[in-house]
Amino acid sequence: AQSVAQPEDQVNVAEGNPLTVKCTYSVSGNPYLFWYVQYPNRGLQFLLKYITGDNLVKGSYGFEAEFNKSQTSFHLKKPSALVSDSALYFCAVRDLNTGFQKLVFGTGTRLLVSP
Amino acid sequence: EADIYQTPRYLVIGTGKKITLECSQTMGHDKMYWYQQDPGMELHLIHYSYGVNSTEKGDLSSESTVSRIRTEHFPLTLESARPSHTSQYLCASSSTEFNEKLFFGSGTQLSVL
Repeated sequence: AQSVAQPEDQVNVAEGNPLTVKCTYSVSGNPYLFWYVQYPNRGLQFLLKYITGDNLVKGSYGFEAEFNKSQTSFHLKKPSALVSDSALYFCAVRDLNTGFQKLVFGTGTRLLVSP
Repeated sequence: EADIYQTPRYLVIGTGKKITLECSQTMGHDKMYWYQQDPGMELHLIHYSYGVNSTEKGDLSSESTVSRIRTEHFPLTLESARPSHTSQYLCASSSTEFNEKLFFGSGTQLSVL
């Protein structure tokens, strides 16, 4: 089965510093990977996706993600963190082995950016 | 930006009550989903739909039921609510393309006393 793992429950970073939120994947075939963000008391919002092409994918709010096939990783990055980036981040993979091709989400990583 | 709406936003009810959580989208998406999420935790797919008159159970067993009589509407019903149903319920929709993103509603926070 397709799956993603987010090894860190929480990431702490100071404002202005670069941030990385980790995600590794396990798929059969080509991976279709996504990052979503959830602000407090809100639904999830799409950040970016990787389907094919460049390994560095740029998304919303200055975020980017690097696809690494040899390490089966899809880490989310931002060069300079903002306090307003504090939220819950979910990595997801499209499960192409089922007819519905549903999204399978990771367990989430809480990002805390301190002033 | 997302044209998907959930009502109510918050709901506190007593045990044994029947409730319906509403979800509507105006994007013409065929696929719709219900996820259950405990605070700050992972999402669990409990129901999904390919389109009108199509509903399927998801990965997490749920005592709720859903219906899809119209493309834009995907309500979730609990016939007899229990405290174990206390959770956040997120509705989402997407187009049929496999590489397309999901649009999420703001969620319904349900508390059963």
